[in-house]
Amino acid sequence: GQSLEQPSEVTAVEGAIVQINCTYQTSGFYGLSWYQQHDGGAPTFLSYNGLDGLEETGRFSSFLSRSDSYGYLLLQELQMKDSASYFCAVRGTGGSYQKVTFGTGTKLQVIP
Amino acid sequence: GAGVSQSPRYKVTKRGQDVALRCDPISGHVSLYWYRQALGQGPEFLTYFNYEAQQDKSGLPNDRFSAERPEGSISTLTIQRTEQRDSAMYRCASSLELAGGPTGELFFGEGSRLTVL
Repeated sequence: GQSLEQPSEVTAVEGAIVQINCTYQTSGFYGLSWYQQHDGGAPTFLSYNGLDGLEETGRFSSFLSRSDSYGYLLLQELQMKDSASYFCAVRGTGGSYQKVTFGTGTKLQVIP
Repeated sequence: GAGVSQSPRYKVTKRGQDVALRCDPISGHVSLYWYRQALGQGPEFLTYFNYEAQQDKSGLPNDRFSAERPEGSISTLTIQRTEQRDSAMYRCASSLELAGGPTGELFFGEGSRLTVL
């Protein structure tokens, strides 16, 4: 089966840094994506790691270690608007290059 | 269109009825995915298409669920003989390139919320 584990909830202070971890056990792997979803909204793409290492996009960075089946999303200079759910997603599960499987999500609450 | 459009946004139906949910992807997007999302959970894969060809339907829960994309653009997810357990948000996503191209980016619609009484 496919398994993507994330912490269910994280609370952090405005202006701080927070790291959201994702560990996966999947049959097949081509890359790890991260999506943000505000309450009542649609998931929106944040970042993608196809190779090991760190990818940076503004205040957001994402890291991947394929040997450890592990990745994380790093959010810096937190803002109140960052309060949302964050999902990691693996591309290539089940032997299908295009199949994208999502994790259970981490609800981030940013407090003043 | 500017984004992925889904209709109806809300659907309330009685148990045993058939429902059809429509997805209009971003113009020119070749791949189209269907997901189901329960409250507080991540999107659950149902099926996906490249152009008009259904590539993987391993996530469809049972044979009451079917999907088509006959002309490689608009897609319909049909649920026959609905049951209460089918109540969920059904989301469609599309990508310009196969599997989202080099970044794997999927563009999601606002979803169709189905309630089965």
